[in-house]
Amino acid sequence: DTGVSQDPRHKITKRGQNVTFRCDPISEHNRLYWYRQTLGQGPEFLTYFQNEAQLEKSRLLSDRFSAERPKGSFSTLEIQRTEQGDSAMYLCASSSLGWADSYEQYFGPGTRLTVT
Amino acid sequence: DAKTTQPTSMDCAEGRAANLPCNHSTISGNEYVYWYRQIHSQGPQYIIHGLKNNETNEMASLIITEDRKSSTLILPHATLRDTAVYYCIVIYDGNQFYFGTGTSLTVIP
Repeated sequence: DTGVSQDPRHKITKRGQNVTFRCDPISEHNRLYWYRQTLGQGPEFLTYFQNEAQLEKSRLLSDRFSAERPKGSFSTLEIQRTEQGDSAMYLCASSSLGWADSYEQYFGPGTRLTVT
Repeated sequence: DAKTTQPTSMDCAEGRAANLPCNHSTISGNEYVYWYRQIHSQGPQYIIHGLKNNETNEMASLIITEDRKSSTLILPHATLRDTAVYYCIVIYDGNQFYFGTGTSLTVIP
């Protein structure tokens, strides 16, 4: 257990529905990241926050995706009008300034989304 | 995006050292080398990272060549629980990690 929690762990939804995932990072970490992982592939970066500011978004993050971190603590990732191609594991990670200006990221267990 | 090259898969006998190579020939002087692993259906787990010097912690050792163009992760006494996909990542300030497909390590009894 890294101290990063995600909820729910599994979500099954029908195509066209909206879903929201939550991530609670390690409390003293100021950076929070979202990744997506499909079967047989490594995690792919989606976006990251430093405190409450969203500083970078991947081109993978289409207009149907939105992420927030309103008070610089927990974060939510919402997918609107889900498509079957959204089926994946959604991973959250957090980090803070660590050893020698490095930022090791600590990952949560992920939320597995299945769109039927 | 792809800054590292790793073998697709490797086997290692239980109790022996597992040596996982990674090539990063285009690494810049201020980029770190990170290693993570992912056991099936779990989130990636941080193992170790380094800049120039070799590093060791309770999980593994990281050997970085003098020219920094390649590195090796060493698991000194592999156990069955070390069976996982191992990712080598090169990054500067640790925000956008690029994982690639990693090396699938199988520890054989």
